[in-house]
Amino acid sequence: EADIYQTPRYLVIGTGKKITLECSQTMGHDKMYWYQQDPGMELHLIHYSYGVNSTEKGDLSSESTVSRIRTEHFPLTLESARPSHTSQYLCASSDIAGGWETQYFGPGTRLLVL
Amino acid sequence: GQQVMQIPQYQHVQEGEDFTTYCNSSTTLSNIQWYKQRPGGHPVFLIQLVKSGEVKKQKRLTFQFGEAKKNSSLHITATQTTDVGTYFCAVNQAGTALIFGKGTTLSVSS
Repeated sequence: EADIYQTPRYLVIGTGKKITLECSQTMGHDKMYWYQQDPGMELHLIHYSYGVNSTEKGDLSSESTVSRIRTEHFPLTLESARPSHTSQYLCASSDIAGGWETQYFGPGTRLLVL
Repeated sequence: GQQVMQIPQYQHVQEGEDFTTYCNSSTTLSNIQWYKQRPGGHPVFLIQLVKSGEVKKQKRLTFQFGEAKKNSSLHITATQTTDVGTYFCAVNQAGTALIFGKGTTLSVSS
């Protein structure tokens, strides 16, 4: 299983604050993803990246930004946190074997915006 | 774009009963994957199906890819409490991100 790390694991923050969620993987995977997910619900794609200096928008990208300066690092920034951002944020990276993509997820960051 | 419909959204069973979740597409799929997410956890890759009519088994779990490669199923025989969680199907779409279904959440009472 791929080693993919997310920090912080839990975050409580006030409305209007700028926050950055960290994601790192040590597998050398080129593709990385950010998802937002409420408990037991569907995965909403926020951003993804094909590799260094590549970023693409997903369905919920309008209120956040990402960067991909290094292969192993894919941070997600919320410029101004709102209570509607309260959720779990999952980072994933992909292994492409035989032409098929398999995703490995990090443990997630649980965000509470007051 | 590519979409996959997953049913049912929720399923509750008594321990020992069987469970099946289905993933359907209106277009032919190149492959399909299944993931499991335990409560409070993150999705974990279970298996990938590529060939038409393919059937794979993992202990009590049976995965099937339809002959037309437009649907897939995950069947659990004699469910246990350890099977609780949300099961997602996912498909590869060329040039874009992996597409996930909305998931089926399974609860099991003992």
